[in-house]
Amino acid sequence: QVQLQESGPGLVKPSQTLSLTCSVSGGSFSSGIYYWSWIRQHPGKGLEWIGYIYYRGNSYYNPSLKSRVTISVDTSKNQFSLRLSSVTAADTAVYYCARGEMTYSDYWGQGTLVTVSS
Amino acid sequence: QSALTQPASVSGSPGQSITISCTGTSSDVGGYKYVSWYQQHPGKAPKLMIYAVNNRPSGVSNRFSGSKSGNTASLTISGLQAEDEADYYCSSYTSSDTLVFGTGTKVTVL
Repeated sequence: QVQLQESGPGLVKPSQTLSLTCSVSGGSFSSGIYYWSWIRQHPGKGLEWIGYIYYRGNSYYNPSLKSRVTISVDTSKNQFSLRLSSVTAADTAVYYCARGEMTYSDYWGQGTLVTVSS
Repeated sequence: QSALTQPASVSGSPGQSITISCTGTSSDVGGYKYVSWYQQHPGKAPKLMIYAVNNRPSGVSNRFSGSKSGNTASLTISGLQAEDEADYYCSSYTSSDTLVFGTGTKVTVL
């Protein structure tokens, strides 16, 4: 059974860079056709797609966040990461990592709340 | 990219059927057979219920079905049960090689 777990600071200061890691267990990270995604949910709001990376390294981002987002993969550690620069209070959200195909995600992490505040 | 449009809320009595709509454009919903639906209970991660318009992942009840016509996709829940009370989100692949979610629909079982 594939499991994903987000980790990283729960509190980030404004203008700094948010960095999260998703650790994947229960499956071979680089063996398939999977896309590794980040999705966020502002408190009490809907889901927002941040972007994803194909295991070979091709990445795709939400146009509204593209200038600030980097998603990378470390196949040796079965992990992929999110970096979001120049954060503001508007980036406070629960961040989910997920695995799936190009058009959907079938395995999700439990989510981690990141608060942007000084 | 703009979020796909869903009704804010839909309700029904146990045993009834309800349908949630998801309206986009020809650049997303209307242009591809790549609409998916997610169920989210409070405080939980979303769960994939439908992918590629009308396909159910293993383990998802056949009470859930999907369809699409033009720029609007739909999720139908038949034989509504108390456990179906949750938020539901649609998602679509887009012409920009990105994904976009819907605004979300709260389903209430009366």
